[in-house]
Formats: sequence, C-alpha cells, structure tokens
Amino acid sequence: EPEVTQTPSHQVTQMGQEVILRCVPISNHLYFYWYRQILGQKVEFLVSFYNNEISEKSEIFDDQFSVERPDGSNFTLKIRSTKLEDSAMYFCASSEVGSSAGELFFGEGSRLTVL
Amino acid sequence: GNSVTQMEGPVTLSEEAFLTINCTYTATGYPSLFWYVQYPGEGLQLLLKATKADDKGSNKGFEATYRKETTSFHLEKGSVQVSDSAVYFCALRANSGGYQKVTFGTGTKLQVIP
Repeated sequence: EPEVTQTPSHQVTQMGQEVILRCVPISNHLYFYWYRQILGQKVEFLVSFYNNEISEKSEIFDDQFSVERPDGSNFTLKIRSTKLEDSAMYFCASSEVGSSAGELFFGEGSRLTVL
Repeated sequence: GNSVTQMEGPVTLSEEAFLTINCTYTATGYPSLFWYVQYPGEGLQLLLKATKADDKGSNKGFEATYRKETTSFHLEKGSVQVSDSAVYFCALRANSGGYQKVTFGTGTKLQVIP
C-alpha cells in the first residue's frame, strides 16, 4: 500500500541551527501538507502546498519556515534558525486531487528536539 | 472558521466496555469528517470517515455517524480492547473543492485496562 515516508525519524539540533525535514508523498498525490504536534498537545496545521506554491499557511508558519518541492518526489520543510519551542513532532501529509472525502495520508512523523 | 471540539480525556475503560468519544464541529459548507488514531509512538492513521450527512463510517469495530442536525460525529465501539489504547482525533475538511486543510480536534486519550 502506498505510504508517505519521512526522514529523519528523529533529529536533535542546537538552538539557532537550520533543520530540513524531508517527506516523500504518495506518488499520485498533488496536495501536500505539514502539521506539527508539540508533545501531548493538539495537531496543528502549518502549511499546505499545491502546484508548486503555498496555498495556505497558519500563523505558526512565520519567516523562519519554508517549504520546497525540489524535485518530482520530495517535499521539504526548512526551519532556518530553530528555537526551543520548535521542538515537536512534524507530520507530512498528502492527498489526492479530486478525492471527494479529501482525507490526508500522514507519514510517521519526524521528531525534532531543539536543545 | 472551521473548528472541532472533542471531549476531554483521558478516558479510562475496562476491556469489553462500551466506548463513546464525543465530537462536534463548526464549519462552513459541507465538510467531510474523519477520525484519526495515534498509537503510542506512532503517526496518525485514518480510522474512519464520512463525507455527507447520515453517512456512517466504520472500521475495526469503531463507527461514527455524520449528524448534520447536531453537527456531531461521535465515535463509538461496542467492546474495547487493550490494543485500542491510543489518542483519537476528530477532524474535518471543508468539502467545497480545492485544497482546504484538515482541522483537528485536541485529541482524546483512551486507556483500556485489562
């Protein structure tokens, strides 16, 4: 069964460092998303991406964050200068064009720990 | 804007007990509704879904009915097992085309004890 894959599964970084989280969405999906979940808290929307541009972003997604689809398969989230409060589980998701239900398929997540 | 409200957890039940986790929503248009499950240390998995009023989603013994009149999508299971221990998220997506994001509730932690 097709699945969304994310790397790394866990990254530890120092405050102020740049981090890139990678995602390979399901191959025929064209909508891509990043969500995050601070430990024990709700799942928060960060950004959605379609047709090579951001289609929607939340207030969390400030200038420190960027997304890119550098090739035909990867979808990346970059945090330019990490802060302690960026420590969270980051989930990538994708969905199909024209799906009437519009369900998102999530990856296993990348746990980011900022020290 | 769209929002989802779930009952506060944690919910602790004995094995074979009946489960209900309440979920209500506020949305413009006609949303699709979902329940996602997150097992300890894992990602989010779609548990079930419903796309229109009166639809019933079901999977693994869980079910939820899309009630437009009460704007609810309560999750139920007749007999829970220890393996059902997880966090359950109610979610919605506005079903008016395009690329609307999925909005999640705060999650309800379920703990089933033998």
